[in-house]
Amino acid sequence: GQQLNQSPQSMFIQEGEDVSMNCTSSSIFNTWLWYKQDPGEGPVLLIALYKAGELTSNGRLTAQSGITRKDSFLNISASIPSDVGIYFCAGQTHNAGNMLTFGGGTRLMVKP
Amino acid sequence: ETGVTQTPRHLVMGMTNKKSLKCEQHLGHNAMYWYKQSAKKPLELMFVYNFKEQTENNSVPSRFSPECPNSSHLFLHLHTLQPEDSALYLCASSHRGRSSGANVLTFGAGSRLTVL
Repeated sequence: GQQLNQSPQSMFIQEGEDVSMNCTSSSIFNTWLWYKQDPGEGPVLLIALYKAGELTSNGRLTAQSGITRKDSFLNISASIPSDVGIYFCAGQTHNAGNMLTFGGGTRLMVKP
Repeated sequence: ETGVTQTPRHLVMGMTNKKSLKCEQHLGHNAMYWYKQSAKKPLELMFVYNFKEQTENNSVPSRFSPECPNSSHLFLHLHTLQPEDSALYLCASSHRGRSSGANVLTFGAGSRLTVL
């Protein structure tokens, strides 16, 4: 089946640092989504990418999908303590009935 | 308010109990989902309902029984669970078209289940 490899699994950074995480797959995904899950809550959509090579920003967050549609990255600039949480990538292909495939998540910890 | 409400937020039950998790969405979506989230594991899709019809059942044990009476409500009935079933159960909804297109899920806050 389809799989998304998300890395790193966890990050412990200093407040103010920039963060980068990515997802890769051997399969093509038409749509890439990035979610954030705060402790004790459900995942919340951050950014959606609908085209190959699309670059989209949401405040301090920037995400891009690869030209080959097989990867995507998420950058967070100038991290703050409330960025703590688990970040999930998700990919969708039309061939799979529009179902999402989720990565394993990147756990981000920020030291004030 | 995410638009997807799950109750209860926390549930502790014995292995012989029968309980239910409830999910309600106020977004006008036509598809609803149950996911299981265990520690250090990816999100596991359990069930999908599209226009009230179950379209996915990812080999989930029969001790989990979903019910979708209408497009806004989804239940997960629990019976004779095992301790390894302890996890966060997430409900989600989406507007899932009959043709191809982006399918963005909106999640609820989850129901934290502990089986003793």
